[in-house]
Amino acid sequence: AQSVTQPDIHITVSEGASLELRCNYSYGATPYLFWYVQSPGQGLQLLLKYFSGDTLVQGIKGFEAEFKRSQSSFNLRKPSVHWSDAAEYFCAVAPMDSSYKLIFGSGTRLLVRP
Amino acid sequence: KAGVTQTPRYLIKTRGQQVTLSCSPISGHRSVSWYQQTPGQGLQFLFEYFSETQRNKGNFPGRFSGRQFSNSRSEMNVSTLELGDSALYLCASSPRGLAETYEQYFGPGTRLTVT
Repeated sequence: AQSVTQPDIHITVSEGASLELRCNYSYGATPYLFWYVQSPGQGLQLLLKYFSGDTLVQGIKGFEAEFKRSQSSFNLRKPSVHWSDAAEYFCAVAPMDSSYKLIFGSGTRLLVRP
Repeated sequence: KAGVTQTPRYLIKTRGQQVTLSCSPISGHRSVSWYQQTPGQGLQFLFEYFSETQRNKGNFPGRFSGRQFSNSRSEMNVSTLELGDSALYLCASSPRGLAETYEQYFGPGTRLTVT
């Protein structure tokens, strides 16, 4: 079945530590891939996206993500986390099936220890 | 440019009632999509409107409907509310339709509570 999986419900890191949030997808063809962030009481903000080309994509706020076709993964990384990064992070895919909609993962809540 | 605005921000309704939520997209954007966010089901796509026409629809019952006006503002209506409709409803606007671009800008959402 087609799906987007974020295996980690919660992740806690210390401020200044590195971060990696996992995302796996299950679709026949490589979909378009996205990472969004949602702060409490806010809507979603696009961090970065992958359509094709270079598999390492840079986003806003110092985030990057790497697309690995062999692993069907699109993990989000940040080398040094700031307290303001505490939020919920969503991976999303746009399946290449003419449905023209975004399918979101269940989200990973990031907590940052001072 | 002003961002996507949604009104009201908070709403409390009773089972069986109906509700209308409003979304004003970024100026110049022609596409508006709606999403429902709940703790149990996560973020789910409701529908997309582009140039006043519904182009895509998610797997929601017919109680959920919407429309888009000529100025691209959109409304979403839920009739015969159920407890399970309690959710954050997010609107996202896009300069073009989702068939052309997935560049979406989200509003802060309307928190609907059904009692």
